[in-house]
Amino acid sequence: DVKVTQSSRYLVKRTGEKVFLECVQDMDHENMFWYRQDPGLGLRLIYFSYDVKMKEKGDIPEGYSVSREKKERFSLILESASTNQTSMYLCASSLGGESTDTQYFGPGTRLTVL
Amino acid sequence: KQEVTQIPAALSVPEGENLVLNCSFTDSAIYNLQWFRQDPGKGLTSLLLIQSSQREQTSGRLNASLDKSSGRSTLYIAASQPGDSATYLCAVEGGGSYIPTFGRGTSLIVHP
Repeated sequence: DVKVTQSSRYLVKRTGEKVFLECVQDMDHENMFWYRQDPGLGLRLIYFSYDVKMKEKGDIPEGYSVSREKKERFSLILESASTNQTSMYLCASSLGGESTDTQYFGPGTRLTVL
Repeated sequence: KQEVTQIPAALSVPEGENLVLNCSFTDSAIYNLQWFRQDPGKGLTSLLLIQSSQREQTSGRLNASLDKSSGRSTLYIAASQPGDSATYLCAVEGGGSYIPTFGRGTSLIVHP
């Protein structure tokens, strides 16, 4: 079974802090995704990576950056956390290439910025 | 740009009912359509994946159908149980992109 893990289930940070959210998958997937999920707004894509060191902006990249130095790990970075970044963050992975494979999601990180 | 709509947004039914959740999409040039389940405060779990060449997929009490020409998919849940209570999301890949577009989900409550 594919397993996608996220470094924290719950995180509380202060405004202005630099925040790292880590995601690891164990199935050699090429594609990895970071979403945020907010009530009434659904799932919104922040960044997408289709290979090591490759990334593409999603629908709401402002205030975020990402890093993919190894195939299994995709990090989301909040350079200077703000209260409007309080949200549920979900990481996902899929096989990649031209394969239309299932997306596998991690358990999520509930981030609160005070 | 692909848009995915799910109706209804919320549904409350008594245990034992058969129910249908709807998903519609605007661009019929899709690669696949996927149904997910999300329990409160948790990640998404894949339920069924329908490739563009398929018409339906079944898993236990769940059956998902796909009609590309009309831009619709339905998720049928037979003999609903309280454990089915969750939010159900559909996601569509297509239009030259392998990045899925998600609907906002249907929140289902099955009461005993």
